[in-house]
Amino acid sequence: DGGITQSPKYLFRKEGQNVTLSCEQNLNHDAMYWYRQDPGQGLRLIYYSQIVNDFQKGDIAEGYSVSREKKESFPLTVTSAQKNPTAFYLCASSVQGPSGGYTFGSGTRLTVV
Amino acid sequence: SQQGEEDPQALSIQEGENATMNCSYKTSINNLQWYRQNSGRGLVHLILIRSNEREKHSGRLRVTLDTSKKSSSLLITASRAADTASYFCATPRNSGGGADGLTFGKGTHLIIQP
Repeated sequence: DGGITQSPKYLFRKEGQNVTLSCEQNLNHDAMYWYRQDPGQGLRLIYYSQIVNDFQKGDIAEGYSVSREKKESFPLTVTSAQKNPTAFYLCASSVQGPSGGYTFGSGTRLTVV
Repeated sequence: SQQGEEDPQALSIQEGENATMNCSYKTSINNLQWYRQNSGRGLVHLILIRSNEREKHSGRLRVTLDTSKKSSSLLITASRAADTASYFCATPRNSGGGADGLTFGKGTHLIIQP
């Protein structure tokens, strides 16, 4: 079955550590996205990539980094520069253009301990 | 950037009743999308309505779009306990169709009482 796989489901980070969240899709989608969701809030866009080897900052990119070396993969690194990283992180993908909606992964819950 | 805002923030109804949620946005769009999120899970795409469409149906879902009022509504008919979830509207961040991201509202939390 096609879909998006995010791992791990839960992640704990110590202060000052960088952590990387994995996102893999087998939908052959060109575009991929990372969103952050805080309790009771909507989603906020961190980074997105419309094509391999290219990515753009979203609305809250500070303290995060990404790479897009393969079409299927779009990992997100939460760096120590991110002051409040505890949140639910969602990865999504879509075909280019407005022909359909986004497909989301099941999310990674990151907690700073 | 454009933003959808859902109303009400929370809604509790009896099973079998209809549920209506509204979304307002600020600037012109070429499409609007609705998503569902069960607690602690990812979002699931429900329906996309284009700016030249006024109404769209999918099973028990009916979405309307009024571009003159910059608003949309999602109607769920004959609600079931499994419809309990948060519902979000989303609009393209910029003038594109959403390829450079969607902007989401804070959602309507729907509870279906058995």
